[in-house]
Amino acid sequence: GENVEQHPSTLSVQEGDSAVIKCTYSDSASNYFPWYKQELGKRPQLIIDIRSNVGEKKDQRIAVTLNKTAKHFSLHITETQPEDSAVYFCAATYEYSSASKIIFGSGTRLSIRP
Amino acid sequence: DGGITQSPKYLFRKEGQNVTLSCEQNLNHDAMYWYRQDPGQGLRLIYYSQIVNDFQKGDIAEGYSVSREKKESFPLTVTSAQKNPTAFYLCASSKGSDADTQYFGPGTRLTVL
Repeated sequence: GENVEQHPSTLSVQEGDSAVIKCTYSDSASNYFPWYKQELGKRPQLIIDIRSNVGEKKDQRIAVTLNKTAKHFSLHITETQPEDSAVYFCAATYEYSSASKIIFGSGTRLSIRP
Repeated sequence: DGGITQSPKYLFRKEGQNVTLSCEQNLNHDAMYWYRQDPGQGLRLIYYSQIVNDFQKGDIAEGYSVSREKKESFPLTVTSAQKNPTAFYLCASSKGSDADTQYFGPGTRLTVL
């Protein structure tokens, strides 16, 4: 069935270093891949997304790459700052006969060490 | 996502009671969703609705019910049949159901006493 696997589950990096979170998906028809950031007790917020017709997208310190052949996509955060500490979720769409659903990964807890 | 609201923020339920969580959006979105999040876990889909008066079960619909009488509103009822309802409940909406960005409400934290 449909599945999105996310690794690692926890990640600790030194402030100023880069962080990379990786996800794989199972449905080759998936065409939309959003990333959400969730701070403790708050709602998930979209930080970046990518569609299947591009391989990379950047927004300041955040970038996402997509490899459709290998069915994996990654989030890259450069020059990490304390406010980057949060849980990050990847997601992928799955197509059904009448609609599409978004399936979320299990999350990565990112901690930035001062 | 400022246009999607949930109430109450905190809710306490006694065993055997049904409770209803509110979700309202003024974004003119067609699709709405309910997710459950347990501590340290990801998001699991309970129910979703693409249009008014229509909704589908998600992955963990047992013990829950919904209605979609208005485009703006998608309330979730947690029934007494849900044996472990303590969790953080998130509502989301999107323009349509076809690979559109989902925007989340602030969530309701439900605790069973």
